[in-house]
Amino acid sequence: KAGVTQTPRYLIKTRGQQVTLSCSPISGHRSVSWYQQTPGQGLQFLFEYFSETQRNKGNFPGRFSGRQFSNSRSEMNVSTLELGDSALYLCASSPRTRSETQYFGPGTRLLVL
Amino acid sequence: TQLLEQSPQFLSIQEGENLTVYCNSSSVFSSLQWYRQEPGEGPVLLVTVVTGGEVKKLKRLTFQFGDARKDSSLHITAAQPGDTGLYLCAGARSNYQLIWGAGTKLIIKP
Repeated sequence: KAGVTQTPRYLIKTRGQQVTLSCSPISGHRSVSWYQQTPGQGLQFLFEYFSETQRNKGNFPGRFSGRQFSNSRSEMNVSTLELGDSALYLCASSPRTRSETQYFGPGTRLLVL
Repeated sequence: TQLLEQSPQFLSIQEGENLTVYCNSSSVFSSLQWYRQEPGEGPVLLVTVVTGGEVKKLKRLTFQFGDARKDSSLHITAAQPGDTGLYLCAGARSNYQLIWGAGTKLIIKP
């Protein structure tokens, strides 16, 4: 069974731009969660989607948004990029919502200049 | 504020040595997970501990959950270069929210 895939793997943007990241979960998994990972803060939960609905949300500004499609694929969008948004963005899938077991993708490394 | 404190933040030892890393909190968790993350990859789940005092072994790795379910340790015996990575712990609250530690970066030198 194929794992979680994320595209693109690397991205360079400039301040003020916007970016869209994509995540394809493991086949059959309906929950997708997004995390931001930085060396100083560790993994910070962004949001979780299940059956196309946002179920949980972390403490991030409204510039961070996401959505999930009927095939469970998910996208995350960050508008008006700031230097501090530079991070590894990880997507994790699980069979159901509120699952303690999550399977992570390799991440998208975003650099904002 | 980090609700899960991992220590040490960084550890570099020689192959063959033993080591222990810690994950501590003042909060009680329904379960605690340990992950290993290698450069350029996402975290991979190693183990989930659920019961206070529980000990789980995964080859040379021994995981223990504290009696009060507030802390955990990971002990590696005879470390090998393949053990190199970032070790993350994550505690699950009763509402299934995962609280993550910042990780211990482990380097095993051959």
